[in-house]
Amino acid sequence: GESVGLHLPTLSVQEGDNSIINCAYSNSASDYFIWYKQESGKGPQFIIDIRSNMDKRQGQRVTVLLNKTVKHLSLQIAATQPGDSAVYFCAESGAGGTSYGKLTFGQGTILTVHP
Amino acid sequence: DAGVTQSPTHLIKTRGQHVTLRCSPISGHKSVSWYQQVLGQGPQFIFQYYEKEERGRGNFPDRFSARQFPNYSSELNVNALLLGDSALYLCASSSLETQYFGPGTRLLVL
Repeated sequence: GESVGLHLPTLSVQEGDNSIINCAYSNSASDYFIWYKQESGKGPQFIIDIRSNMDKRQGQRVTVLLNKTVKHLSLQIAATQPGDSAVYFCAESGAGGTSYGKLTFGQGTILTVHP
Repeated sequence: DAGVTQSPTHLIKTRGQHVTLRCSPISGHKSVSWYQQVLGQGPQFIFQYYEKEERGRGNFPDRFSARQFPNYSSELNVNALLLGDSALYLCASSSLETQYFGPGTRLLVL
């Protein structure tokens, strides 16, 4: 069935380092991908998205890379700060039909940034 | 601008009871989606509503139901609560594809 999974459940980095969070997806028909950040006790916060007709998109300190050949998605965070510590989820937007509006989330990666 | 709001923030119920959770979307957003997030996992899709009609449904039993009102706010109802229904229930609103989440309602079933 459809699934979106993460390679690394935890990631620890030093403040100022760059972070890379990876995600694998299995539905080759997926055409829209989103990264969310979730802090403890809060709802997921939108970070950045990318469509399947792109392979790279940049935001403020974040870059998302999409490799459709191997069905792999990554989130790069530049100059990671302690405030970036959170759980990061990738999500894939489902196709139409009964999956309309459905986001399929991965397990999540816990990012810990040490001062 | 106010984001997605949900009420209540926390709720404690006992098995067999029913619960109603409420969501107000971002102003101008006509679509609301509901998700269940069990501790340690990613959110699982329950429903999506657009213009008061159900447009998508996840793999949840009929005990779960929802509706959307003319002002685009939404309610999620869960009947005959089970211990396994304990979770964070998230509401997301969208105008196009990007879904923006509220803070969630944490439900504990005892």
